Amino acid sequence: GDSVTQMEGPVTLSEEAFLTINCTYTATGYPSLFWYVQYPGEGLQLLLKATKADDKGSNKGFEATYRKETTSFHLEKGSVQVSDSAVYFCALTPNNAGNMLTFGGGTRLMVKP
Amino acid sequence: DGGITQSPKYLFRKEGQNVTLSCEQNLNHDAMYWYRQDPGQGLRLIYYSQIVNDFQKGDIAEGYSVSREKKESFPLTVTSAQKNPTAFYLCASRPPGQQNSPLHFGNGTRLTVT
Repeated sequence: GDSVTQMEGPVTLSEEAFLTINCTYTATGYPSLFWYVQYPGEGLQLLLKATKADDKGSNKGFEATYRKETTSFHLEKGSVQVSDSAVYFCALTPNNAGNMLTFGGGTRLMVKP
Repeated sequence: DGGITQSPKYLFRKEGQNVTLSCEQNLNHDAMYWYRQDPGQGLRLIYYSQIVNDFQKGDIAEGYSVSREKKESFPLTVTSAQKNPTAFYLCASRPPGQQNSPLHFGNGTRLTVT
């Protein structure tokens, strides 16, 4: 079945450091890919998405590129802030499953001043 | 503002009692979902509903039940048959028919059963 694998956390960085959170997936065809963010005590919010190969999703300084050849959708940010501390989830929707979403295990990011 | 409201934010119950978690949305979305989140783990799908009066089991439906009598509401009952009910429960909704449309989440209910 479809699955999403993320790097295990926590990831601890100093403010202004470069961030990469790895995400790889297994799915047939061309799924849509998403990154969600969860701040403490809250639900998940969509951060960015990409719907076809080589698309780049971006939002709030975060970017991720849909790489079909490596089945990856790594999240990057050039300079993190303390306010970026949260849990980040990679997710996919298979191209034949309409509304179903499969999540990775989440990666906790902690940014220190 | 449109959104999803989950209540209460924190819920405490004794073992052996059924408990119902509320989820209401005013986004006019057809599809609604319940996920369970355990510490350090991802989200696991409990139940989902694509339309009023219809719902399907997700990956971990045992010990849970739902109803979808109204488009706006999708309550989840955690029954005494659920062996490990303590968790963070998230409700979500999604517009119909679009593969790449994102889920909208509520702020969750943290259930503690002792």
